[in-house]
Amino acid sequence: LAKTTQPISMDSYEGQEVNITCSHNNIATNDYITWYQQFPSQGPRFIIQGYKTKVTNEVASLFIPADRKSSTLSLPRVSLSDTAVYYCLVADPPYSSASKIIFGSGTRLSIRP
Amino acid sequence: EPEVTQTPSHQVTQMGQEVILRCVPISNHLYFYWYRQILGQKVEFLVSFYNNEISEKSEIFDDQFSVERPDGSNFTLKIRSTKLEDSAMYFCASGAGTSNQPQHFGDGTRLSIL
Repeated sequence: LAKTTQPISMDSYEGQEVNITCSHNNIATNDYITWYQQFPSQGPRFIIQGYKTKVTNEVASLFIPADRKSSTLSLPRVSLSDTAVYYCLVADPPYSSASKIIFGSGTRLSIRP
Repeated sequence: EPEVTQTPSHQVTQMGQEVILRCVPISNHLYFYWYRQILGQKVEFLVSFYNNEISEKSEIFDDQFSVERPDGSNFTLKIRSTKLEDSAMYFCASGAGTSNQPQHFGDGTRLSIL
């Protein structure tokens, strides 16, 4: 598994765009990048997954540069309810429901009013 | 949206006792998992279960632990002779197994060993 590095914590304010960057310098050709979110006292929840360029869904966008050595999770116009731990995961095959997940320490995002 | 449900939400047990944590996975899912998260630490994989047998287990999942899918709907984790260090959140997850489909997690059972 490629090692990932992400900030331990981040703070932001309601209405702001938040970008969490994850470094994965040793990413392999077939690795996918997946982000999970964990609210306090809840189980992790899948947010988004991508291989290259940009992926967008109703929750977030994922930006992956051409060298794929990093990725950025972008949360538009955050609210207090976006306070959570965000995990960046890199694996081949892409994390699917048929394989165990190895979680790192994640980024603890705190949103203030 | 269908969800994974876990019961109880909080279990308090005396050290040395047995506990059974229960999970109802999403009905058409085929892959089942247990994870645990000790307070302030990472989410750790315990075991995966497919086709009525364990497909993979971590070194945490020793003889003290067992899993069962007794009736085609429930998925249980049994911990025999609990220890203080078993205190943690235990998460159940399930998945359909199709490509690019994520695992769905329950909201966990908080196990407190006294």
